[in-house]
Amino acid sequence: DIQMTQSPSSLSASIGDRVTITCRASQSITTYLNWYQQKPGKAPNLLIFAASTLQSGVPSRFSGSGSGTDFTLTISSLKPEDFATYYCQQTYSTPPTFGGGTKVEFK
Amino acid sequence: QLQLQESGPRLVKTSETLSLTCTVSGGSVSSSGYYWGWIRQPPGKGLEWIGNIYYGGNTYYNASLRSRVTISVDTSANQVSLKLSSVTAADTAVYYCASGDTGTVYSRIDYWGQGSLVTVSS
Repeated sequence: DIQMTQSPSSLSASIGDRVTITCRASQSITTYLNWYQQKPGKAPNLLIFAASTLQSGVPSRFSGSGSGTDFTLTISSLKPEDFATYYCQQTYSTPPTFGGGTKVEFK
Repeated sequence: QLQLQESGPRLVKTSETLSLTCTVSGGSVSSSGYYWGWIRQPPGKGLEWIGNIYYGGNTYYNASLRSRVTISVDTSANQVSLKLSSVTAADTAVYYCASGDTGTVYSRIDYWGQGSLVTVSS
């Protein structure tokens, strides 16, 4: 199985901050990388697929980049509704595996 | 717009079989345009893919669960079901029904149910 490692596991940030979350795959997954946002008590929600394609309806302050083994999710200017846990997921091979998550908390 | 709703017992005894149903609205489980799957999340932990089922009945399961899991569809009821046998406390989790479009190169989960917390206890 391909292991997905996210860092950091948590971070504290303020409204308006630029936030960057990284995800590293144990082998190349080209650009078969998705990002999800999960709020407490809710199901995850797709933000980005194919490493950098914004899902319809997702604000443009979210962006994704990377290919191969190293990927980044960036929130350009943090808003109150962005405090949540973020997961990366590879779909290059079965089983599709998730990173351990990054919790974005209010500083 | 697909909507998914999980249902089933919230408490299952150790060694018994966990059974959940996902009722689909806004689309058909017999459509070739979607795949159907299950994902689980133990309390306070991350996400684990359980398996998917595709048009024609092809199934793919997480190897760690393959010997215990069955995913199937009931086209008459427009439902997807999950059965997990011989459960232990480690199977306690929120179970999500999930779906995505099959006509894309890059697979992703476009639709999620609200989740169903299932507790395994003796």
